[in-house]
Amino acid sequence: SQELEQSPQSLIVQEGKNLTINCTSSKTLYGLYWYKQKYGEGLIFLMMLQKGGEEKSHEKITAKLDEKKQQSSLHITASQPSHAGIYLCGADLLGPGSARQLTFGSGTQLTVLP
Amino acid sequence: GAVVSQHPSRVICKSGTSVKIECRSLDFQATTMFWYRQFPKQSLMLMATSNEGSKATYEQGVEKDKFLINHASLTLSTLTVTSAHPEDSSFYICSARVWGRANDGYTFGSGTRLTVV
Repeated sequence: SQELEQSPQSLIVQEGKNLTINCTSSKTLYGLYWYKQKYGEGLIFLMMLQKGGEEKSHEKITAKLDEKKQQSSLHITASQPSHAGIYLCGADLLGPGSARQLTFGSGTQLTVLP
Repeated sequence: GAVVSQHPSRVICKSGTSVKIECRSLDFQATTMFWYRQFPKQSLMLMATSNEGSKATYEQGVEKDKFLINHASLTLSTLTVTSAHPEDSSFYICSARVWGRANDGYTFGSGTRLTVV
């Protein structure tokens, strides 16, 4: 989606390294969701951020939403092979019909080398 | 709570036939459901928004006559791929907006992998 830019598209890191994935919206978000997926499988919900400046952590994953609610980052500390997969950010935005909908970024394919 | 059940998980059909995918909200009422498509190595693309009791809203470039959406009840939305062709082979996944729970958000079905041969 052009409304939501996610970077990088692909990331290969050595096990134990830290990494960051970014998501930038051209519009103010009602909320920002982070998911993990393997292609052809369902989405695993990671975190949802709604308030400007909000930060949430779960195990080794931390997500932040900036004060303007247009940028979010997902940070993984001391990456492990189990972190490998596709990471998707989803922006809760107003759609063309003024109804809220979830629009996804292009995704980040993460590979963690043992 | 807030579970969406999607069936089938996988389907193989012959070119020219139609395939129906169902999404049911099990423990809540979903007035709106969203249908996404995902091609290999790509992200989820919103195809359409289905609204209970009214016509679905389709995203630009999605053929209404090919992807028929029905949302006849508050717990069931269906996507029918009509006259399927190999290029329709993809991963289809539905989602519903969940209101009023401890963590308002979107809940997803487990997806359907469609292969058209």
